[in-house]
Amino acid sequence: GAVVSQHPSWVICKSGTSVKIECRSLDFQATTMFWYRQFPKQSLMLMATSNEGSKATYEQGVEKDKFLINHASLTLSTLTVTSAHPEDSSFYICSAPKGAGVGETQYFGPGTRLLVL
Amino acid sequence: GENVEQHPSTLSVQEGDSAVIKCTYSDSASNYFPWYKQELGKRPQLIIDIRSNVGEKKDQRIAVTLNKTAKHFSLHITETQPEDSAVYFCAASNTGRRALTFGSGTRLQVQP
Repeated sequence: GAVVSQHPSWVICKSGTSVKIECRSLDFQATTMFWYRQFPKQSLMLMATSNEGSKATYEQGVEKDKFLINHASLTLSTLTVTSAHPEDSSFYICSAPKGAGVGETQYFGPGTRLLVL
Repeated sequence: GENVEQHPSTLSVQEGDSAVIKCTYSDSASNYFPWYKQELGKRPQLIIDIRSNVGEKKDQRIAVTLNKTAKHFSLHITETQPEDSAVYFCAASNTGRRALTFGSGTRLQVQP
């Protein structure tokens, strides 16, 4: 298998502050990582695709200036929620693909629960 | 883009019975179909997957079938146990896009 970690596992912040979430592939390199968001009792929705060495690709309806993504290395992607508001409270999960083509499998991080007061 | 629909939203079975969850997808380019089990507050856990060159795959009590013509795939769990209780998600992706599109989820409850 493969291991993907996320930090922090949970965070509580005040409205208007920024929060950074890290996603690391621990035992493999990932030129691409994906960020998903999951609201309570809902499914996972793709927010953006993080690409090492280039700009992230955002899904329709996701504000790129609010959710800043930086893929600093082959094992690290960060998601910064800027000027967080209560409606940003959610479960944020990253994934990293390992393998190639038809042999590729997604590995998920443990998720970060964000609560904005 | 891809759209994945999943049914039922909730499913309650007696221990030992079988459970079936069905998904349909819209993008004919999709070629990878994983199923995930998610317990409350935890990450999705891959339980089985199938690729478009295969029609059926089985792993102990879990099986997945794929009908490419009809664009649907199903998860079958036999001899259900209380520990199978969780939310199950189907998903689809293709070699080009790679990101997963998830179904809406099925809450499975196995009654002892």
